Amino acid sequence: AQTVTQSQPEMSVQEAETVTLSCTYDTSESDYYLFWYKQPPSRQMILVIRQEAYKQQNATENRFSVNFQKAAKSFSLKISDSQLGDAAMYFCAYPGAGSYQLTFGKGTKLSVIP
Amino acid sequence: KAGVTQTPRYLIKTRGQQVTLSCSPISGHRSVSWYQQTPGQGLQFLFEYFSETQRNKGNFPGRFSGRQFSNSRSEMNVSTLELGDSALYLCASSSRDSRSLAFFGQGTRLTVV
Repeated sequence: AQTVTQSQPEMSVQEAETVTLSCTYDTSESDYYLFWYKQPPSRQMILVIRQEAYKQQNATENRFSVNFQKAAKSFSLKISDSQLGDAAMYFCAYPGAGSYQLTFGKGTKLSVIP
Repeated sequence: KAGVTQTPRYLIKTRGQQVTLSCSPISGHRSVSWYQQTPGQGLQFLFEYFSETQRNKGNFPGRFSGRQFSNSRSEMNVSTLELGDSALYLCASSSRDSRSLAFFGQGTRLTVV
């Protein structure tokens, strides 16, 4: 069974600073996707960034980037120039091979300090 | 394109009752998945439907069931509600082209009293 582990239940960052959220996962697949989702107080899950495992290049979306280490099965999210609107729960997620079923980590609650 | 729509947004039920939640996926998406989110257990997969067939089911009792209609809309039903069923129920839709990417609705907050 796939597992996704987020070891930081809570983190905080000063506005305009950079923060990195950690995620490790376990899989026997060689080609897969990984996702970071954000869940603000409105409770809607919003995709932050997606990484394809076969791509060597780390994904980047504006202020959000990942550090994907396939051999170590590590998938961390870096948020640069943090903004107040970044405050939310962040979930790392892995879909099973050939499936739309997502396995989520427990989440990291990010607070942004003005 | 309209997003994933879940109804109702909030629901209060009494123990022992049953409840039906609805999810309308993004137009053209044929896969619908359901998740239960609680503070203690986090996000847990309930089931996934594709073209009216249940493809996967999570580790939940038989009181939890679902179905998908020919227009891809999906419903999930919980019978004989227990206090522990209080949760946020999230629905997600995906398409064959989305490469496992799931788009989520705003959820239904169920409170069992």
